Amino acid sequence: KAGVTQTPRYLIKTRGQQVTLSCSPISGHRSVSWYQQTPGQGLQFLFEYFSETQRNKGNFPGRFSGRQFSNSRSEMNVSTLELGDSALYLCASSLAVSLAGAKNIQYFGAGTRLSVL
Amino acid sequence: SQQGEEDPQALSIQEGENATMNCSYKTSINNLQWYRQNSGRGLVHLILIRSNEREKHSGRLRVTLDTSKKSSSLLITASRAADTASYFCATVLREGGSEKLVFGKGMKLTVNP
Repeated sequence: KAGVTQTPRYLIKTRGQQVTLSCSPISGHRSVSWYQQTPGQGLQFLFEYFSETQRNKGNFPGRFSGRQFSNSRSEMNVSTLELGDSALYLCASSLAVSLAGAKNIQYFGAGTRLSVL
Repeated sequence: SQQGEEDPQALSIQEGENATMNCSYKTSINNLQWYRQNSGRGLVHLILIRSNEREKHSGRLRVTLDTSKKSSSLLITASRAADTASYFCATVLREGGSEKLVFGKGMKLTVNP
């Protein structure tokens, strides 16, 4: 089975621009979660989609949004980029019906490294 | 908000030695997971321990869970240079009607050949 694929791997943007990141989950996985990883804040949960619906959300401003398509592929969008948005963005998929359940083993992609200049 | 905190934050050992890292968390949990991350890459799931389990083994990994102390430990035995990575514990935090998987800040393990 193919793993989780994230594209692009690297991105350079300037302040004020917007960016869209893509994630293709493992076949059969309906849950897709997004995380932001920075040296200062560590790994932070952005949101989780399940069957095209945002099911869970972290504490990020509305500039961060996402969506999930019928084939479970997901995109994350960040509008009006700020310098502090520079980070490694990780996508993970799982079979979990619930994040709290024992089937919530997250399979991560390699990430998209976003640099905002 | 940080649910899990690993301790120590960094550890450097020689190949063949054992490495132990600890995780403390704040709220009640259904299970606790450990992940590994090689430099700048995605995380890899290592092991999940349920709240009604006290100990679990997987190869060279041994995880313990003490729900009364809200803590877990990960032991890597007979370490190898390839074990050099950051290790994270993760638990689910329920907040404002949402669930989120919350990771600790991670522990950086360096295994010297």
